[in-house]
Amino acid sequence: DADVTQTPRNRITKTGKRIMLECSQTKGHDRMYWYRQDPGLGLRLIYYSFDVKDINKGEISDGYSVSRQAQAKFSLSLESAIPNQTALYFCATSGGTGWIDTQYFGPGTRLTVL
Amino acid sequence: EDKVVQSPLSLVVHEGDTVTLNCSYEVTNFRSLLWYKQEKKAPTFLFMLTSSGIEKKSGRLSSILDKKELFSILNITATQTGDSAIYLCALTRSGNQFYFGTGTSLTVIP
Repeated sequence: DADVTQTPRNRITKTGKRIMLECSQTKGHDRMYWYRQDPGLGLRLIYYSFDVKDINKGEISDGYSVSRQAQAKFSLSLESAIPNQTALYFCATSGGTGWIDTQYFGPGTRLTVL
Repeated sequence: EDKVVQSPLSLVVHEGDTVTLNCSYEVTNFRSLLWYKQEKKAPTFLFMLTSSGIEKKSGRLSSILDKKELFSILNITATQTGDSAIYLCALTRSGNQFYFGTGTSLTVIP
């Protein structure tokens, strides 16, 4: 089984709809991240969480919110989706007993906003 | 402002060629530099570098960091079609924030 899972894997929605992307991990890591990837722009950090009670904004948090329901779960919400939020979204984790900088990525969610 | 710049943006080579990918950076409170390979899915970890001048190797891939000149290179020797991917460089700073470059797209043709 994959260590970091994301649901859904693909989603097409309309402008103005509320969307939630979910991430679960079985690695026992404290730190979780949400990124979006756009062609030519690389990976950009949306939000990150160092533990259940710690949530931090990243580079591009406007239009997004997150919830850390448990150590293993980190959800990303688009309250009112707009077309320029069409992108590939990745969840990642880091932590554990090894060097904490290595990140482990989920498979990604491809979101299209019409 | 913290930034990570990768070059070239894209590269096309023939199988067997050697390639060098570059990552230069400006990050306060630097902690580590990481290289990832991304094919048609999520990025996978390749190397993490924290000290200047120490080469990390894994098969045909190697990487080295120069903390004085603020850059790292990723070398791939005897390239194969399976090396075709986007290679991402990321920096971490104290506070565990990650900064990614835009990536270098490598295409290896038979």
